[in-house]
Amino acid sequence: QQQVKQSPQSLIVQKGGISIINCAYENTAFDYFPWYQQFPGKGPALLIAIRPDVSEKKEGRFTISFNKSAKQFSLHIMDSQPGDSATYFCAALVEGANNLFFGTGTRLTVIP
Amino acid sequence: KAGVTQTPRYLIKTRGQQVTLSCSPISGHRSVSWYQQTPGQGLQFLFEYFSETQRNKGNFPGRFSGRQFSNSRSEMNVSTLELGDSALYLCASSRNVRDNEQFFGPGTRLTVL
Repeated sequence: QQQVKQSPQSLIVQKGGISIINCAYENTAFDYFPWYQQFPGKGPALLIAIRPDVSEKKEGRFTISFNKSAKQFSLHIMDSQPGDSATYFCAALVEGANNLFFGTGTRLTVIP
Repeated sequence: KAGVTQTPRYLIKTRGQQVTLSCSPISGHRSVSWYQQTPGQGLQFLFEYFSETQRNKGNFPGRFSGRQFSNSRSEMNVSTLELGDSALYLCASSRNVRDNEQFFGPGTRLTVL
């Protein structure tokens, strides 16, 4: 059973556009929600993370929006660049467990 | 500061063999977690170690095992390899069990023939 559901599976965005990736979860015990970026041949790299006590967190061009009542969170990439082309994973875990549950990934392609 | 390092980067084994993978966490990080990444199943948690003790274990058969040493370095072992064990095995480290930020290494690509 997939504990974190992610969509879309793939996304094509024009340079300068906004990329939006969505995730949903069921386990209300989750209290830490990171996003990872993975390039081919590399391990996932931590991009940004949020806890459920805030509804939005922004770091540079990356923003997480969090809706606790809907059990959904999303990643927005503003001014998308070709260098952002990668696979993005959302994840969730319960505080202190260090057991990340990952979404299935979104392959983002930013075309010039 | 050096990142998480994993050795070897690539491995080719045959069915029935066993394999040991190594992970050195970021300096000062004491918690190490292992994940398996495959195209079909995605990223799945294997186990987590802290202070040389396994704290959590994912839903994998007993052929998958691990350990952690006093310097926080960790190894995972897979015995009696099966074709389905072909995957990218990723190690992630965090400062301690209360620090949720996990930093991943480049992984070990295991191919079972």
